[in-house]
Amino acid sequence: GDSVTQMEGPVTLSEEAFLTINCTYTATGYPSLFWYVQYPGEGLQLLLKATKADDKGSNKGFEATYRKETTSFHLEKGSVQVSDSAVYFCALTTRSARQLTFGSGTQLTVLP
Amino acid sequence: DAGVIQSPRHEVTEMGQEVTLRCKPISGHDYLFWYRQTMMRGLELLIYFNNNVPIDDSGMPEDRFSAKMPNASFSTLKIQPSEPRDSAVYFCASTISGANVLTFGAGSRLTVL
Repeated sequence: GDSVTQMEGPVTLSEEAFLTINCTYTATGYPSLFWYVQYPGEGLQLLLKATKADDKGSNKGFEATYRKETTSFHLEKGSVQVSDSAVYFCALTTRSARQLTFGSGTQLTVLP
Repeated sequence: DAGVIQSPRHEVTEMGQEVTLRCKPISGHDYLFWYRQTMMRGLELLIYFNNNVPIDDSGMPEDRFSAKMPNASFSTLKIQPSEPRDSAVYFCASTISGANVLTFGAGSRLTVL
């Protein structure tokens, strides 16, 4: 079956540091890939997505590139802020939202 | 658009009591999902509905859990009787046919003592 493996957390960075959160996947067919973010006390929100190989999703300074050859979708940001502190979930679907498979989440804390 | 609305935001109850969690999806969305989030198991899909009809409830942990969607704008998740291991954050999410993105509510944090 489909699965998503995320870098284990927690991750703690200083403000303005470079961020990478690794995500790899196993899927049949050609999945769409997503990063969702969960801020403290809130539900998950879509951060970015990519629907085919070599697509780059981007939003709020975050980027992730769909790499079919390495089955990866790593999340990056060049300069993190305290307000980026949250839990980040990698996810995929090969069909539709009703078939979303989530990773275990990575807790990010950014210190001032 | 007010988004997906869940209530209550926090619930503390004693073992054996009945718990009812409520969800109002985004207007026009025809899919509704219930997820459970715990530290140990992460995000788990419990059940989802399409046009108010339950489609897949294979994630419902046991008969103590039940979910209903009497109309397009309201769903409930009920636990009867509740147990301490049911303590978790329960999320409702909705989407529209053909979309592959979910909109989540803020969640209901349940603590069973």
